Amino acid sequence: DTGVSQNPRHKITKRGQNVTFRCDPISEHNRLYWYRQTLGQGPEFLTYFQNEAQLEKSRLLSDRFSAERPKGSFSTLEIQRTEQGDSAMYLCASSLSGTGSYEQYFGPGTRLTVT
Amino acid sequence: AQRVTQPEKLLSVFKGAPVELKCNYSYSGSPELFWYVQYSRQRLQLLLRHISRESIKGFTADLNKGETSFHLKKPFAQEEDSAMYYCALMSGRSGNTPLVFGKGTRLSVIA
Repeated sequence: DTGVSQNPRHKITKRGQNVTFRCDPISEHNRLYWYRQTLGQGPEFLTYFQNEAQLEKSRLLSDRFSAERPKGSFSTLEIQRTEQGDSAMYLCASSLSGTGSYEQYFGPGTRLTVT
Repeated sequence: AQRVTQPEKLLSVFKGAPVELKCNYSYSGSPELFWYVQYSRQRLQLLLRHISRESIKGFTADLNKGETSFHLKKPFAQEEDSAMYYCALMSGRSGNTPLVFGKGTRLSVIA
C-alpha cells in the first residue's frame, strides 16, 4: 500500500457532461474525506464517510454532486452537468479513527477542467 | 463559525533567518490545530499537530488560546523549507472530523 491514490489525475470535460472520480484510501482506514481546492484557496471540505456511511455533507456539495463508498473501501465522487465553476483540484484523504492520531493522509488529487 | 486565517500569502526569508508563519482561528471550544505542508509536486502532508508538542524539521507551533493563534516558527530557515503551508482546524469535537483550512502561505527561502 503506497498511500491514498486517486484516478484520474487530470480530467478535461465540456460543460454539461458528467464526470466521476475515484479514491482508494489506505487500506485499514475507516474514514474517507473529499475536499475541493481552487486557485489561491486552501482545501474546502465536501463530504466524508465512516466505512460506507456518509456522515456529513458540506453546503458546497450541490445536488449535482454525489459521493459513495459502497463497500467501505474505495469512494467515488460524481459531478453531473458540470459547470465551469466546478473546475478545481479534488482531493481525497483518509484516516483511522479511534487511535488518537487524527492525521489525515491525502491523495495527489484529481484536477478537473471544465471547458 | 469556524474559520482559519493566514494573513500572508507569500513570505520570503533568507536562508538562516528566523521564520514565523501566522495563523489565527475562530472556534467556540477547545481546538485541535494542525499545520500541513505541500512541497513542490508532492501531496499535502501533516507537518505537526498542536497536541503533540513535537518539533518537526525544526518547526514548532504553540497554541495561544488568548490570542486564538497557532503560529508556526523555525529559528533558522533552510532552502528545503520552501513550500506551501496550511494551518487547519479540526471541525468536530470527537476527532477524525473534517478539517477547516486557511488559504495558505507560500514560504520562499532565498539562498
